[in-house]
Amino acid sequence: QSVLTQPPSVSGAPGQRVTISCTGSTANIGANYDVQWYQQLPGTAPKLLIFGNTNRPSGVPDRFSGSRSGASASLAITGLQAEDEADYYCQTFDNSLTVWLFGGGTKLTVL
Amino acid sequence: QLQLQESGPGLVKPSETLSLTCTVSGGSFNSGSYFWAWIRQPPGKRLEWIGSVHYSGSTYYSPPLKSRITMSVDTSRKQFSLKLTSASAADTALYFCARLEGSIGWFDPWGQGTLVSVSS
Repeated sequence: QSVLTQPPSVSGAPGQRVTISCTGSTANIGANYDVQWYQQLPGTAPKLLIFGNTNRPSGVPDRFSGSRSGASASLAITGLQAEDEADYYCQTFDNSLTVWLFGGGTKLTVL
Repeated sequence: QLQLQESGPGLVKPSETLSLTCTVSGGSFNSGSYFWAWIRQPPGKRLEWIGSVHYSGSTYYSPPLKSRITMSVDTSRKQFSLKLTSASAADTALYFCARLEGSIGWFDPWGQGTLVSVSS
């Protein structure tokens, strides 16, 4: 079964840079489908953070950036702040399962 | 600003039908550019796309759930609905509605979510 794999957790100190990876397959990211990233703060709905691999919606700080290469994608967060502590999910389309897929989520802890 | 709000029973008995409605406000519902989607998140598990519906009535359903799902729209009320038959404990989840941008795109914005428990 096609899945998107993310590390369960990452952490960093305030001001540092962290990256979150999202590994897919030739049926999804590797098939050139765009990758999106969402931030889910505790007790709230996911919020779109990055769309089309690298684009930020209006209002999202430029501390957040996305990239894609081959069958993987990454989210980078620079200048970590306490308010960034949340769960982060990648998302794309899978043409073998014909579904919109989400990664398993990564919990970011700001030390 | 576009807003979405889920509504429906928070408790469903096993084997019964889970029914939810999403009301859209503050923006266009009848735009050809968007689909309207349901996504769920079982406790401790990843987000799962359930299905998407266009204001015209066209639908896309998740293959594993396809036999149990019906999605529909009410354009006059700017609402879309989900019906999931033969509910089981595995359907217990936080259910979100969201707008799907484009044919293969992203979900934005999302409703706040509604918790549905399947239990006798």
